[in-house]
Amino acid sequence: DVKVTQSSRYLVKRTGEKVFLECVQDMDHENMFWYRQDPGLGLRLIYFSYDVKMKEKGDIPEGYSVSREKKERFSLILESASTNQTSMYLCASRSSGTWGQPQHFGDGTRLSIL
Amino acid sequence: SQQGEEDPQALSIQEGENATMNCSYKTSINNLQWYRQNSGRGLVHLILIRSNEREKHSGRLRVTLDTSKKSSSLLITASRAADTASYFCAPGTSYDKVIFGPGTSLSVIP
Repeated sequence: DVKVTQSSRYLVKRTGEKVFLECVQDMDHENMFWYRQDPGLGLRLIYFSYDVKMKEKGDIPEGYSVSREKKERFSLILESASTNQTSMYLCASRSSGTWGQPQHFGDGTRLSIL
Repeated sequence: SQQGEEDPQALSIQEGENATMNCSYKTSINNLQWYRQNSGRGLVHLILIRSNEREKHSGRLRVTLDTSKKSSSLLITASRAADTASYFCAPGTSYDKVIFGPGTSLSVIP
């Protein structure tokens, strides 16, 4: 089974801090994604990556950056955390394929910015 | 990219009953996926249906796809308390990023 591991289940940080959320997948997937999930808003795509060192903005990239130096690891960076970035963050990976491939999700990081 | 819109937003049924949720989307796709999310966890892929398929089964799940109406439905038969979760559809193409809709929150009452 594919395993997507997010480094923390719960994280509390202060405004202005630089925050790193880490995600590792063990299936050599080309594609990786970061979402945030908020009540009533569903999942919103922040950034995604098609390959190592490749990244593309999703729908809400402002205030975030990403890093993908190795195929298995995709990091989300909050450059200067703000309270409106308090949310559940979900990482996913997917193999590229002809007919659409399922996304495999980690269990999420519930981030609180105080 | 595509976004699906699930309907209803919330559904409450008794254990043993069937649960039906619907998904509508706007433009052409070549596949549509359904996912489940238990409270506080990540999403889990349930089933994928391709645009040239009309119906697909997996255990107690039955998915239909009507490309002329741009809609899909997910039927869970003989529901159990463990089916309580949020369900998301994800219409898309092979290489597109997936945009999830707001989901249907299903409560199965024992």
